[in-house]
Amino acid sequence: QKEVEQDPGPLSVPEGAIVSLNCTYSNSAFQYFMWYRQYSRKGPELLMYTYSSGNKEDGRFTAQVDKSSKYISLFIRDSQPSDSATYLCAMSGQGAQKLVFGQGTRLTINP
Amino acid sequence: DTAVSQTPKYLVTQMGNDKSIKCEQNLGHDTMYWYKQDSKKFLKIMFSYNNKELIINETVPNRFSPKSPDKAHLNLHINSLELGDSAVYFCASSPRTSGTEQYFGPGTRLTVT
Repeated sequence: QKEVEQDPGPLSVPEGAIVSLNCTYSNSAFQYFMWYRQYSRKGPELLMYTYSSGNKEDGRFTAQVDKSSKYISLFIRDSQPSDSATYLCAMSGQGAQKLVFGQGTRLTINP
Repeated sequence: DTAVSQTPKYLVTQMGNDKSIKCEQNLGHDTMYWYKQDSKKFLKIMFSYNNKELIINETVPNRFSPKSPDKAHLNLHINSLELGDSAVYFCASSPRTSGTEQYFGPGTRLTVT
């Protein structure tokens, strides 16, 4: 079993829809949670960074962490075609010095 | 201004050859990383350096040798290339040794024939 599980998709939704992307994890030591966006043939770009449980909002993006369920989510409101990309979750434990990534979910927003 | 840059962007070479990939960051970060991303998009850490010192070496074959001449540069040399080395290699940097908040370069697409 991988430390971080993420459905690779693909996920295809119409423009304007609310998108929900999720990851589950098995290591209870994880405390830092990140979402990266990767466009085709580009490097991953840091979107959201949260520490421990709770919600964080940035514009159309909301990250949620539920440590009791070992489950994290990224919500995209009013999705745009420019949001079409692969979204990777990543997490790290205290003092771990490295990130563990999910496989990434490929998302397409259709105009 | 490019924050994390890598050269070359594409690299096509034959089995058995030796090649190098270079990475530079102008963010002033102390920590740099090499990752390998396979065809299924799975991103896996290979090495991490903090201020020129190796801190992570993730069971990578010793054909791969990183080198950090200063804290802004991290290079990757690969000896005796194999077909299975074909992948995209990403360099990243972080302002924290905890590994959080990593900023990635554009990647080097290596194809071994």
